[in-house]
Amino acid sequence: DGGITQSPKYLFRKEGQNVTLSCEQNLNHDAMYWYRQDPGQGLRLIYYSQIVNDFQKGDIAEGYSVSREKKESFPLTVTSAQKNPTAFYLCASSIVSAPAGYGYTFGSGTRLTVV
Amino acid sequence: SQQGEEDPQALSIQEGENATMNCSYKTSINNLQWYRQNSGRGLVHLILIRSNEREKHSGRLRVTLDTSKKSSSLLITASRAADTASYFCATGTGNQFYFGTGTSLTVIP
Repeated sequence: DGGITQSPKYLFRKEGQNVTLSCEQNLNHDAMYWYRQDPGQGLRLIYYSQIVNDFQKGDIAEGYSVSREKKESFPLTVTSAQKNPTAFYLCASSIVSAPAGYGYTFGSGTRLTVV
Repeated sequence: SQQGEEDPQALSIQEGENATMNCSYKTSINNLQWYRQNSGRGLVHLILIRSNEREKHSGRLRVTLDTSKKSSSLLITASRAADTASYFCATGTGNQFYFGTGTSLTVIP
């Protein structure tokens, strides 16, 4: 079955540590996105990529980094510069080449907690 | 910001009743989408309505769009306990969408 796989489901980070969240899709989608979800604040865009080896900052990119070396993969690194990383992280993908008539497909999320 | 805002923030109804939630947004859009999120899970795409459409149906879902008022509504008819979830609208142009803060719907059996 086609879909998006996020791993791990739960992740714990110590202060000052970098951690990487995995996102893999087998939908052959061109575009991939990372969102952060905090209670009562909806989803906020961190980074997005519409093509391999290219990505753009979203609204809250500070303290995060991404790479897009393969079409199927869009890992997110939460660096020590992100002062409040505890949140639910969602990865999504979409067909970028189609007319704007398709929705996002989301992964099941990674819950990151600072300990 | 293009972010949509859903209203109400929370809604509690009895099974079998209809649920209506609204979304308002600030800028011009190509389309508006509604998503559902069960607790602790990813979002699931429900329905998309284009800016030149006024109403769209999908099963028990009915979506309306009023671009002059920059607002949309999602109606779920004959609600079921399984409809309990958070519902988000997403607005944008091209392939970048902005999500609202969601409406939390509770359907009481």
